[in-house]
Amino acid sequence: DTGVSQDPRHKITKRGQNVTFRCDPISEHNRLYWYRQTLGQGPEFLTYFQNEAQLEKSRLLSDRFSAERPKGSFSTLEIQRTEQGDSAMYLCASSLVATDTDTQYFGPGTRLTVL
Amino acid sequence: AQSVTQLGSHVSVSEGALVLLRCNYSSSVPPYLFWYVQYPNQGLQLLLKYTTGATLVKGINGFEAEFKKSETSFHLTKPSAHMSDAAEYFCAVSGGTSYGKLTFGQGTILTVHP
Repeated sequence: DTGVSQDPRHKITKRGQNVTFRCDPISEHNRLYWYRQTLGQGPEFLTYFQNEAQLEKSRLLSDRFSAERPKGSFSTLEIQRTEQGDSAMYLCASSLVATDTDTQYFGPGTRLTVL
Repeated sequence: AQSVTQLGSHVSVSEGALVLLRCNYSSSVPPYLFWYVQYPNQGLQLLLKYTTGATLVKGINGFEAEFKKSETSFHLTKPSAHMSDAAEYFCAVSGGTSYGKLTFGQGTILTVHP
């Protein structure tokens, strides 16, 4: 079990460009979450999937953001027409829904800088 | 809606001293409570969690936390700080219709002096 992985770890882009991040969860974990963390703040929930179904999206997730988990394994988060306010750490977490707490295990994050 | 308040954005202790990081939560349903630690430029690592049952929970690296429903608190403690404990700590809550989705506090940066 190698843990949650995210790619890339760092991304620098110019305003207006599109970016895509990938998250590979712990194998056999059926839930996958995306969070955004800005400097000096705690992570904020963006969206989550159970298997391939996207079950909830935060109001933080504007129309420029889209997430997919096509086969219920890895997930991608795309940001279109990036803005400077999108600069943040994007964290992915996975969990196995069972009878307990849906404990989430986090990846190392992708740090996005929009110039 | 659920919320978490972490009292003190920065806490400084001497090596070997008691660590106390404060967390208060608000939840209309029985909460699940978590503490995570984050080292610079890394993701979050789970320290410990409370679900049901015993209100004193023990985690990794000698940390523990006590769930006090009457005080809506879940403070994190460690009897003796080590230099390697220096990091940012986040308290989080989930439960009810927010089951799964974590709501985090703003974090507490712990500094350990030699």
